[in-house]
Amino acid sequence: SQQGEEDPQALSIQEGENATMNCSYKTSINNLQWYRQNSGRGLVHLILIRSNEREKHSGRLRVTLDTSKKSSSLLITASRAADTASYFCATGTNAGKSTFGDGTTLTVKP
Amino acid sequence: DAGVIQSPRHEVTEMGQEVTLRCKPISGHNSLFWYRQTMMRGLELLIYFNNNVPIDDSGMPEDRFSAKMPNASFSTLKIQPSEPRDSAVYFCASSLSGRNIQYFGAGTRLSVL
Repeated sequence: SQQGEEDPQALSIQEGENATMNCSYKTSINNLQWYRQNSGRGLVHLILIRSNEREKHSGRLRVTLDTSKKSSSLLITASRAADTASYFCATGTNAGKSTFGDGTTLTVKP
Repeated sequence: DAGVIQSPRHEVTEMGQEVTLRCKPISGHNSLFWYRQTMMRGLELLIYFNNNVPIDDSGMPEDRFSAKMPNASFSTLKIQPSEPRDSAVYFCASSLSGRNIQYFGAGTRLSVL
């Protein structure tokens, strides 16, 4: 079974709104990553947050990590139609292997 | 850099035929991963290599699947014989060992009729 589980499975919002996706995991991690997958394409890395970090920003992306609750959230602010994609969390270990969740499908309506 | 290159992009074959998927990782990356993605099962890690050596093949579904990495710049995933339930998108990804950030290829969409 997958380590990470994203919530919700699907999210539909209007352009300009914020989108929040959550990820829960089960075991200890070294870091947690978020990826985006556009339809018919490979996954693209967005941001990595280490286990000793609580929050990280990259442009319109904000990621939080709560290791006590084994959960993370990805916030996309001021969403655009181009943000329409599936978003995956992946938990990383010291061995260099990452385990991916099932993803959240985000639809941003223009 | 050209990124991770996979070939072919699409493969249609008949049940029982041998299928070989190819991957060229990013130059300098020493970890390589093969994934399978379906609607039902999501993204599954099949096998990963570190410095050309298979480290974890616990995700390989059965003996019909095999993977090789003869050198740092090339890997293959072979299915023999193929079955309709193998239909999926197969991704290859590479990374620098210990860095966790993976770079994905565009994938091979396999259809087994």
